[in-house]
Amino acid sequence: GEDVEQSLFLSVREGDSSVINCTYTDSSSTYLYWYKQEPGAGLQLLTYIFSNMDMKQDQRLTVLLNKKDKHLSLRIADTQTGDSAIYFCADGSGNTGKLIFGQGTTLQVKP
Amino acid sequence: GAVVSQHPSWVICKSGTSVKIECRSLDFQATTMFWYRQFPKQSLMLMATSNEGSKATYEQGVEKDKFLINHASLTLSTLTVTSAHPEDSSFYICSASSLTSGGRQIYNEQFFGPGTRLTVL
Repeated sequence: GEDVEQSLFLSVREGDSSVINCTYTDSSSTYLYWYKQEPGAGLQLLTYIFSNMDMKQDQRLTVLLNKKDKHLSLRIADTQTGDSAIYFCADGSGNTGKLIFGQGTTLQVKP
Repeated sequence: GAVVSQHPSWVICKSGTSVKIECRSLDFQATTMFWYRQFPKQSLMLMATSNEGSKATYEQGVEKDKFLINHASLTLSTLTVTSAHPEDSSFYICSASSLTSGGRQIYNEQFFGPGTRLTVL
């Protein structure tokens, strides 16, 4: 089946940039998503990118997509302590509406 | 964005009892709702997809007789964990999505509920 992989943990200092990486296997991905989950809460959609795009920027967030290598990254500029959370990338393909999630990357932001 | 609620937010029950979790889309009509299960420090595992008015489609390995899903209206889906056991303890999250007014789903966005923590003693 389709698979999405992420590194499990990232620690940065407040004010630095954070880069969270994700790889996926599905060649027919239509959209790729980044979600944020705070402790004990549901998922919040941060941003998404259509598969024919290379980059998307939204305020402090920059998404890069390398379709050839099936690699997706999320860059958070000027990381704040409030950005500490688990970040999931998800692959949405086909017409079913299903999302395949990565394992999640725990981002720790140190003051 | 659209709002999805879940009730209850947490529940503790005895082994052998059944528990019902509700998922509601508050400000839009959800043609499709998804149910996920999340173990501590792990990813979300899709359990089933339910479309309003039809039977749910379960993922491989998910027992449909144990996890009963009903999607009776465009704003409500329920998950009933029957004869719950301690291994069913988990965080259950629902999400909802809808087609656009033109009938075409633009980017498959799913709006997630806040989750329900189930603990089976």
